[in-house]
Amino acid sequence: KAGVTQTPRYLIKTRGQQVTLSCSPISGHRSVSWYQQTPGQGLQFLFEYFSETQRNKGNFPGRFSGRQFSNSRSEMNVSTLELGDSALYLCASSSSPQGGETQYFGPGTRLLVL
Amino acid sequence: GQQLNQSPQSMFIQEGEDVSMNCTSSSIFNTWLWYKQDPGEGPVLLIALYKAGELTSNGRLTAQFGITRKDSFLNISASIPSDVGIYFCAGQENAGNNRKLIWGLGTSLAVNP
Repeated sequence: KAGVTQTPRYLIKTRGQQVTLSCSPISGHRSVSWYQQTPGQGLQFLFEYFSETQRNKGNFPGRFSGRQFSNSRSEMNVSTLELGDSALYLCASSSSPQGGETQYFGPGTRLLVL
Repeated sequence: GQQLNQSPQSMFIQEGEDVSMNCTSSSIFNTWLWYKQDPGEGPVLLIALYKAGELTSNGRLTAQFGITRKDSFLNISASIPSDVGIYFCAGQENAGNNRKLIWGLGTSLAVNP
C-alpha cells in the first residue's frame, strides 16, 4: 500500500496570507489527524476527521480549519498567517478514530512564514 | 494541550551503548505507542503496546507497558549511528467517544560513531 502523502512538502508564505495543505491517507483509512510540530514543542494536535466529520479539535485558534472529502483526503487551511505558524505540519491516518488503531504519518509540510 | 512527561529530553551516547527512555502520565492509558522521527520526515511507529505489563521487542528495541498503566519505557540495545533521531511516546486514553492520543515532547538521540 502507498503511504500517507502530503503536499506540498515545502512552502514559503508571508504574514497575512492564507495557506492550504493537503493530505492523502493510506488507502482504506478513514481517519486523518493533523499536528503542528515546532522545535521543543513536540506534536501539537490540531484536529481529527473521520468519515468527513471533525471528531476532535485541539487548542488552536479559529484561523486553523480543516475538512475531509468523501475519498478521505483531507485539507487544512490556515488564514491570516503569523510568524509563529512556521512549523512542520504532519498528518496521520488510521483505519479507525484516533487511538483506536495505529496512526501512520506522512512526511509533513514544512511551512515558513516570513 | 495535555502532554506526557518524557525523559530524558536528549541523549548523546557512544555507538554500541544501550539506551533507555521513558514516559510517565498522571492518567491511565490503554495503549502506549513509541515512534521515531528522522530529520525532515514524519514519525514512524516502532512498537505498540496494548496490555499492562506487556513487553514487546522489535529487533534491538524493547518496550514495556507499565503495570500501573501510567508509564512506559523504551530500550535500545547496542546503538548504531542510524538510531539517531527523535523518539516520541504516545498514550491513548479512553474518554467515551473522544479517544485521543497524548504525546510526549520527545527524546532526541545522538550517537557518536
